[in-house]
Amino acid sequence: AQSVSQHNHHVILSEAASLELGCNYSYGGTVNLFWYVQYPGQHLQLLLKYFSGDPLVKGIKGFEAEFIKSKFSFNLRKPSVQWSDTAEYFCAVTPYSSASKIIFGSGTRLSIRP
Amino acid sequence: NAGVTQTPKFQVLKTGQSMTLQCAQDMNHEYMSWYRQDPGMGLRLIHYSVGAGITDQGEVPNGYNVSRSTTEDFPLRLLSAAPSQTSVYFCASSSKTGTGAGELFFGEGSRLTVL
Repeated sequence: AQSVSQHNHHVILSEAASLELGCNYSYGGTVNLFWYVQYPGQHLQLLLKYFSGDPLVKGIKGFEAEFIKSKFSFNLRKPSVQWSDTAEYFCAVTPYSSASKIIFGSGTRLSIRP
Repeated sequence: NAGVTQTPKFQVLKTGQSMTLQCAQDMNHEYMSWYRQDPGMGLRLIHYSVGAGITDQGEVPNGYNVSRSTTEDFPLRLLSAAPSQTSVYFCASSSKTGTGAGELFFGEGSRLTVL
């Protein structure tokens, strides 16, 4: 069975700082990978996804993530954060090309100081 | 454009009571799932379904039942509520295959309190 680890539980940054949130997964086969964001009081929405091809994927709002197969990692990055990026971020994994048992990490709360 | 609709949004139960959280989607998604969200624990998968008539257990299935008699509906039943089931519950759906596989569309959530 797959699992996901997000080691940063709470990250605090100032505006314009660069962001990198870690995500590592465990699964014995090929996977699809996702980052979701949950703004305060809202439900989750998709930031970006990786299915195959270019391991560097770009998502909405200037976010990107890099899939490194050898490290089982899918870290989320943003060059310059804004106060509006304050939210909780979740990494998720599912077996390749098929939605089945989509598992989430425990999430990283991002707080941006104005 | 309803997407995923969950009801009720809020519910208070006493220990031992039963209830059903309703979930319906109008996107013809084969995959549907229920998660619970607790502080510091992310979203934990309770049950999921890859099509009508098919259900399977997730990470935390105990105390919950599901059924999938139609593509559109995926209700979650709490058999005998316990305080440990106090949580926010999310229903989510996705295409099962193709480029949309695994891209979950979430309902607004149901906040359940068990006293």
